Amino acid sequence: ETGVTQTPRHLVMGMTNKKSLKCEQHLGHNAMYWYKQSAKKPLELMFVYSLEERVENNSVPSRFSPECPNSSHLFLHLHTLQPEDSALYLCASSAQASSYEQYFGPGTRLTVT
Amino acid sequence: AQTVTQSQPEMSVQEAETVTLSCTYDTSESDYYLFWYKQPPSRQMILVIRQEAYKQQNATENRFSVNFQKAAKSFSLKISDSQLGDAAMYFCAYRSALLIQDMRFGAGTRLTVKP
Repeated sequence: ETGVTQTPRHLVMGMTNKKSLKCEQHLGHNAMYWYKQSAKKPLELMFVYSLEERVENNSVPSRFSPECPNSSHLFLHLHTLQPEDSALYLCASSAQASSYEQYFGPGTRLTVT
Repeated sequence: AQTVTQSQPEMSVQEAETVTLSCTYDTSESDYYLFWYKQPPSRQMILVIRQEAYKQQNATENRFSVNFQKAAKSFSLKISDSQLGDAAMYFCAYRSALLIQDMRFGAGTRLTVKP
């Protein structure tokens, strides 16, 4: 595997379910990010991790819970989601949090029913 | 709050022709970075070109170039000699030089390339 990978690629879950999205980067980067891409809305930065420490939570509801156990892996734990949370969730990484270029994964298409 | 505006939801260009995608942004900062990202259908988003605000010279990457007008807060992307593989969503993005979590994207422009 190369670059940034995300699993699963598609996920359908009910509002009472608990699920997790996984992101793995094979680039030796130290910073990782979660973004939300909704239809007809700009891409929104949700979380930033630098050297496994959360730098910022951009006012994201607590039903989204990130976890970064090491610099290569990033998870997004989901619980009691709402239908409006249906979106494409993108993971990205960069060499450092201050680096210009972010490398994106293919995304997880989440549908909340 | 910083915003990024792409006023063209859709654009089309004939193969081998040139097209310009528009982007404006709002910021009170003097130091920041601007980017154009490309997201092909069902494929991963990739960086096309970046511009540091402190640099007056416009960035160029092969067929892609920008027109950066700092005073006007404008950052347009010019694609020359358009190719079928250029068809994608293009996103303009702004990142603060001070706050790494301040990363904002425009709504995107869908570019169609006609053969």
